Amino acid sequence: AQSVTQLDSQVPVFEEAPVELRCNYSSSVSVYLFWYVQYPNQGLQLLLKYLSGSTLVKGINGFEAEFNKSQTSFHLRKPSVHISDTAEYFCAVSDTGGAQKLVFGQGTRLTINP
Amino acid sequence: GAVVSQHPSRVICKSGTSVKIECRSLDFQATTMFWYRQFPKQSLMLMATSNEGSKATYEQGVEKDKFLINHASLTLSTLTVTSAHPEDSSFYICSARFGAGGYTFGSGTRLTVV
Repeated sequence: AQSVTQLDSQVPVFEEAPVELRCNYSSSVSVYLFWYVQYPNQGLQLLLKYLSGSTLVKGINGFEAEFNKSQTSFHLRKPSVHISDTAEYFCAVSDTGGAQKLVFGQGTRLTINP
Repeated sequence: GAVVSQHPSRVICKSGTSVKIECRSLDFQATTMFWYRQFPKQSLMLMATSNEGSKATYEQGVEKDKFLINHASLTLSTLTVTSAHPEDSSFYICSARFGAGGYTFGSGTRLTVV
């Protein structure tokens, strides 16, 4: 079964600074990878996903992530953050076959300070 | 496209009663749906995979007699929390898979058992 580890539970960053949220996954088969954002008391919004092809994936709101198969990582980055980026970020993985259950990491709380 | 509607958004029930949560795919046929549970400030925990016309597959540790899942049509899956107790209070989210690597989420149901 696949699993996801988000290495940082909280990441404080100053406004306009760059940020990287780390995600490592474990799976014995090929995977799809995702990053979601959740604002307080709201549902999930897809930031970006990797299905195949280019390992650098660009998403909404200026976020991007790079799939590194050898390091089994899918870290999320943004070159300059805004106060509005304060939210909970979840990395998720699914197998490419079978039921394709989507399994989430523990989440990273991104706090942007002025 | 690929919209999922989840109802109710909030429900308060008395201890010992049952509560039904509905998840409808509005513009596509959802062969597979997933149910998640999210505790405050925590990640989404996959509870079960719901397949149209067959029994749900529950994750380890999830009581299938307490959390009844029915997926009777290609557009509707329901989660019934039976004999609810305060420890069942949580945020429940449904998700439907469409195509390869496509997932859409309901807006969630906040269940409070008093």
